[in-house]
Amino acid sequence: QVQLKESGPGLVQPSQTLSLTCTVSGFSLTSYNVHWVRQPPGKGLEWMGVIWSGGNTDYNSALKPRLSISRDTSKSQVFLTMNSLQTEDTGIYYCNRRADWGQGVMVTVSS
Amino acid sequence: DVVLTQTPPTLSATIGQSVSISCRSSQSLLHSNGNTYLHWLLQRPGQSPQLLIYSVSRLESGVPNRFSGSGSGTDFTLKISGVEAEDLGVYYCVQGTHAPRTFGGGTKLELK
Repeated sequence: QVQLKESGPGLVQPSQTLSLTCTVSGFSLTSYNVHWVRQPPGKGLEWMGVIWSGGNTDYNSALKPRLSISRDTSKSQVFLTMNSLQTEDTGIYYCNRRADWGQGVMVTVSS
Repeated sequence: DVVLTQTPPTLSATIGQSVSISCRSSQSLLHSNGNTYLHWLLQRPGQSPQLLIYSVSRLESGVPNRFSGSGSGTDFTLKISGVEAEDLGVYYCVQGTHAPRTFGGGTKLELK
């Protein structure tokens, strides 16, 4: 059974760095791509980036200067790191593999 | 980036009514490999998105066959043949043909 679960701090101060973890089960990260998608409160979905099965990454061009995605295949974990957070980065962050989505983690950027 | 424009933004329907949602792309979504990577998601209130249709018209496993997708190139349609209460939520089209992946703005399906 495929599962993805996001974890991380619920509250981040402005200008600080966000670190999220997506822990997966039921599949190998070396065989499937994992995407990060976020959703501001009451708004639509925004694709953030992907780590391909081979380990390469691609990013939303608007976020690329601040965003990094990496993984630890031995732990079945994918990591998202984004710096210089602002209030507009508040929202739910999801990891996703094809039809499978995590439950999402709410991140609030506030002092 | 590819812009996906969904219409209408809001759709009011009665139970049993058939409805359609349009997704228009700013450029053709036909990939050089012959596939078209246009998919449809449903996000119910308070839930994660759910894949309904992939590659224009392929029904994801476990999704009721009242959902169907069609289209080609730049114009795509999701049809629900007989809305049920569990279908309420926001529908998104998403493309994976051109990097970066992009989503439509969403269509909210409400009960009339």
